[in-house]
Amino acid sequence: DTAVSQTPKYLVTQMGNDKSIKCEQNLGHDTMYWYKQDSKKFLKIMFSYNNKELIINETVPNRFSPKSPDKAHLNLHINSLELGDSAVYFCASTKNQMGGGYTFGSGTRLTVV
Amino acid sequence: KNEVEQSPQNLTAQEGEFITINCSYSVGISALHWLQQHPGGGIVSLFMLSSGKKKHGRLIATINIQEKHSSLHITASHPRDSAVYICAVRSGGSNYKLTFGKGTLLTVNP
Repeated sequence: DTAVSQTPKYLVTQMGNDKSIKCEQNLGHDTMYWYKQDSKKFLKIMFSYNNKELIINETVPNRFSPKSPDKAHLNLHINSLELGDSAVYFCASTKNQMGGGYTFGSGTRLTVV
Repeated sequence: KNEVEQSPQNLTAQEGEFITINCSYSVGISALHWLQQHPGGGIVSLFMLSSGKKKHGRLIATINIQEKHSSLHITASHPRDSAVYICAVRSGGSNYKLTFGKGTLLTVNP
């Protein structure tokens, strides 16, 4: 059983489209995260939710909107996709917002053409 | 200047060599993480440290809080250790975000 699963694994789409990436964890963790890894492999936090509540919201264009219907799911919706949004997006979870070990999903490679 | 600096950026070793990757940070932290990213792209958490030293198999991680420095050591390196190793620090206080270093690309040749 995959602990943190993301779908889709690959996403190729045209500029201007709206797309969603889904993330689910079966670890019973309270806290989930979205990270972006750019072309230079640099990881950066985007959002974090603790038990469905937004606790971290970094400087991210408001075209990106996270949604957490329950504590096991954290989805990322992106409106009006731009070329610069091309990256690998990783979902992760921790037991709670105090931290502990991180479990990462396998990543979603988004390519905007 | 990034809050988390890793060195070296690239490291090539022969199988069996002892490897050291360094991480320095400039902010107060509640914990430091070492992560491994294989060529396939998946990220695995290796260690979480807030003090002292941890060991798992051939991997050893140390942290010196006063010097704001951590090292990741790999003993008896093997080609399967080839990966990007990423240092990340978790801020103290109520700001719980992870800040990442730029990673060290390790290649171990047979």
